[in-house]
Amino acid sequence: AQSVTQPDIHITVSEGASLELRCNYSYGATPYLFWYVQSPGQGLQLLLKYFSGDTLVQGIKGFEAEFKRSQSSFNLRKPSVHWSDAAEYFCVSGGSQGNLIFGKGTKLSVKP
Amino acid sequence: EPEVTQTPSHQVTQMGQEVILRCVPISNHLYFYWYRQILGQKVEFLVSFYNNEISEKSEIFDDQFSVERPDGSNFTLKIRSTKLEDSAMYFCASSASVTDTQYFGPGTRLTVL
Repeated sequence: AQSVTQPDIHITVSEGASLELRCNYSYGATPYLFWYVQSPGQGLQLLLKYFSGDTLVQGIKGFEAEFKRSQSSFNLRKPSVHWSDAAEYFCVSGGSQGNLIFGKGTKLSVKP
Repeated sequence: EPEVTQTPSHQVTQMGQEVILRCVPISNHLYFYWYRQILGQKVEFLVSFYNNEISEKSEIFDDQFSVERPDGSNFTLKIRSTKLEDSAMYFCASSASVTDTQYFGPGTRLTVL
C-alpha cells in the first residue's frame, strides 16, 4: 500500500538557519508528491507539488523540494528560516483515485 | 483568491446524535473530498465525490457516514450517530481535476461528548 514517512516529529532551528525536512514515500510508479503546511488554527496550505519533469521544484515562501527516485525521497528545504515558518509540515502523496496520503507531519519550531 | 470555506468551525455534540458538517468548495471545482485528523494522528482520507456520486472511500467511511451536494455550492458530510472516536478535525477539500491540487478549508473541529 502507498505510504509516506516523515521520520522527524519535531525539529527546532534558529532563525536564519537552513532547514531540511525529510520525507520518504512508498509507491511503485512515479507518485504525485506535495508538501502542505498547517499553521495553528489554520487549514492546510499547499507549499509545492511534484507531478513530473524537473526533479527540483520551487514553491511559495522560498521553499523548494527535490524528488529523488533512487532514494524514494522528497525532502523539503529552505535556505534561511523565518520565525513565521513555525508550523506543522506534511509530506503528501497523491493516490490513483485522487485521495491524498499524508505523512504524520513534522512540527517546526524556530528559535529567535 | 477563491478559497474553500467550512462551517461551523467547532461543533460539540452528544454521543449518538447526528451532525452535519458543511463545506463550500471553490466554485469551478468538480472534485470534492473529506479528510479527518484525530488529535495527534495523521490526516486521513475519508471520501471523494465527483459528478454527484462517491468515487472513492476509505474503510473509515462506513454506513454511519454520508456525503451530499444538496445544491450547486454546498458539500456536506453527515455522521448519523456520532461516537466518541469521531472526535476529530474534519477538512473539506476541492480540486479542478482528480490529479490537480486539492485546496483545503480551515476545518471543523468536532467534539463528541
